[in-house]
Amino acid sequence: NAGVTQTPKFQVLKTGQSMTLQCAQDMNHNSMYWYRQDPGMGLRLIYYSASEGTTDKGEVPNGYNVSRLNKREFSLRLESAAPSQTSVYFCASRVFSGPSTDTQYFGPGTRLTVL
Amino acid sequence: GENVEQHPSTLSVQEGDSAVIKCTYSDSASNYFPWYKQELGKRPQLIIDIRSNVGEKKDQRIAVTLNKTAKHFSLHITETQPEDSAVYFCAAGDYGQNFVFGPGTRLSVLP
Repeated sequence: NAGVTQTPKFQVLKTGQSMTLQCAQDMNHNSMYWYRQDPGMGLRLIYYSASEGTTDKGEVPNGYNVSRLNKREFSLRLESAAPSQTSVYFCASRVFSGPSTDTQYFGPGTRLTVL
Repeated sequence: GENVEQHPSTLSVQEGDSAVIKCTYSDSASNYFPWYKQELGKRPQLIIDIRSNVGEKKDQRIAVTLNKTAKHFSLHITETQPEDSAVYFCAAGDYGQNFVFGPGTRLSVLP
């Protein structure tokens, strides 16, 4: 049981290049999320998918697109990278276990630098 | 939308002392308040959470208190140990819906 996995771990892009961040979970969770983490700003939600086949914008969606490929996989795409997108990106999946437990499990993160 | 503030941004305590981190939120409809711990270079992990129908919750050396009237909640760590050194994030939102994270508190436990 690997939990939530992300690839790649590190990436350097030039301004204008595109790339896709991959995320997969093997816990059979319905909900999946993409966050970005910048120093002093906590975790900000980019996009989420409440269930297979649905995606919705979060707090900071501009410049990103997502695909919920199946229940396991949720990818994040940068079509034309900008230096402002330099950040650490975390994928997460979520489970509700009864009336009082609501846990997000995070992947290891992707450190992206845009030059 | 929800806005979460967190104080202090950095906190240093001596090993064995207590640490308290406070968060305030803006949306009175929020009813779920988790706390995540992130060690250096690692992923965030849930350490404790509280629902709005509960005023306090404890788990060994960690406790969370909630004041819905004042819209603030706090994380209390007693008998701090070096392994408690990390960044702690609070969050607020609707149970089962998305929640908003605070900016984080960097806790350093000094030997």
